[in-house]
Amino acid sequence: DPKIIQKPKYLVAVTGSEKILICEQYLGHNAMYWYRQSAKKPLEFMFSYSYQKLMDNQTASSRFQPQSSKKNHLDLQITALKPDDSATYFCATGQGRDERLFFGHGTKLSVL
Amino acid sequence: GQQVQQSPASLVLQEGENAELQCNFSTSLNSMQWFYQRPGGSLVSLFYNPSGTKHSGRLTSTTVIKERRSSLHISSSQTTDSGTYLCALDSSGSWQLIFGSGTQLTVMP
Repeated sequence: DPKIIQKPKYLVAVTGSEKILICEQYLGHNAMYWYRQSAKKPLEFMFSYSYQKLMDNQTASSRFQPQSSKKNHLDLQITALKPDDSATYFCATGQGRDERLFFGHGTKLSVL
Repeated sequence: GQQVQQSPASLVLQEGENAELQCNFSTSLNSMQWFYQRPGGSLVSLFYNPSGTKHSGRLTSTTVIKERRSSLHISSSQTTDSGTYLCALDSSGSWQLIFGSGTQLTVMP
């Protein structure tokens, strides 16, 4: 029974389209994060949110927009998709900064 | 340069052997975490270890801040231990983890 739900598990998109990656957590954590793992690269931090507020952002492109409609949701909207965006996107949660992180199973995005 | 370096990049063991995985870092440390990434890609938290030594079953994590290193020891390895082991640094004052490239462990029967 997963406590961090990411949807969909796999996603195929065409170049130029827009997609939303969903993340919901039922661990009662206050902090939520997005990380990206591209082929043969280390996991890379993208965003961190605490109490639905942006705390840190390391993504240069404004095409990536996190959206937190509820306390336990942090979705990721990606616009004008490019083949280089192909990666597995992981949602993670924790009780706050300096706390253990728990990861979802990831959404594997392929942009053709 | 890379802030978090893991070694070795890959390791092959016979079942029952022990493994020592290293993580060295060049930036200030607030805490260190170790994760196991399954062949399918999902990540499992193994240790949250800001300093000192922690044990969990056959796993031991040791972080020595002054020496800027952390290690993960796996004793009596099993084939189910195969996968990628990642260390991740939480540097002071940030809300992000900096990950190493991982050690890919293969345990042969």
